[in-house]
Amino acid sequence: QKEVEQDPGPLSVPEGAIVSLNCTYSNSAFQYFMWYRQYSRKGPELLMYTYSSGNKEDGRFTAQVDKSSKYISLFIRDSQPSDSATYLCAMSAFNYGQNFVFGPGTRLSVLP
Amino acid sequence: GAVVSQHPSRVICKSGTSVKIECRSLDFQATTMFWYRQFPKKSLMLMATSNEGSKATYEQGVEKDKFLINHASLTLSTLTVTSAHPEDSSFYICSARRENQPQHFGDGTRLSIL
Repeated sequence: QKEVEQDPGPLSVPEGAIVSLNCTYSNSAFQYFMWYRQYSRKGPELLMYTYSSGNKEDGRFTAQVDKSSKYISLFIRDSQPSDSATYLCAMSAFNYGQNFVFGPGTRLSVLP
Repeated sequence: GAVVSQHPSRVICKSGTSVKIECRSLDFQATTMFWYRQFPKKSLMLMATSNEGSKATYEQGVEKDKFLINHASLTLSTLTVTSAHPEDSSFYICSARRENQPQHFGDGTRLSIL
């Protein structure tokens, strides 16, 4: 079993849809969770980061962590074609910045 | 926000050439910088971690003599791919972080060795 699993997609949704992106993990020590967005031929861009369980909202984005289920989600409301990208989850047991493991990424296409 | 600049964005060169890639944190002092390699449609693979003024820590399987990392200051790290060959062609991405903050990534360097 991989340490972090993520459906690679591609996930295609119509513009305006609510998108749910998910990662599951096996290491119960993970406490720091991050979501990055990567456009083609660009570096990853930090979207959100959360500690332990709970929800965090920022504009159209909501991050959820359920440590009991070892499951994290990123919701995108009112999705736009500009949201089309690969979304990478990342997590760490120690802090936000080091020793963290990336998921393989989910490719999202938002169709106009 | 935290801005990381990586230069150059694209390099095409002949086999046997050494190539230097720069990574700068523009608006913060980075306690640690990281170098990644990414293959098409794959996730990032950590190559090495570097702290200012000390030797880089390389991941297993990464040749330190092949991929030279210098972290001269709190805002600058360089990766030199020495005597590059076609198999070194890849997308190289750096990142930088402050204490207790997530990593912020540069826009990557696409290296093509002919």
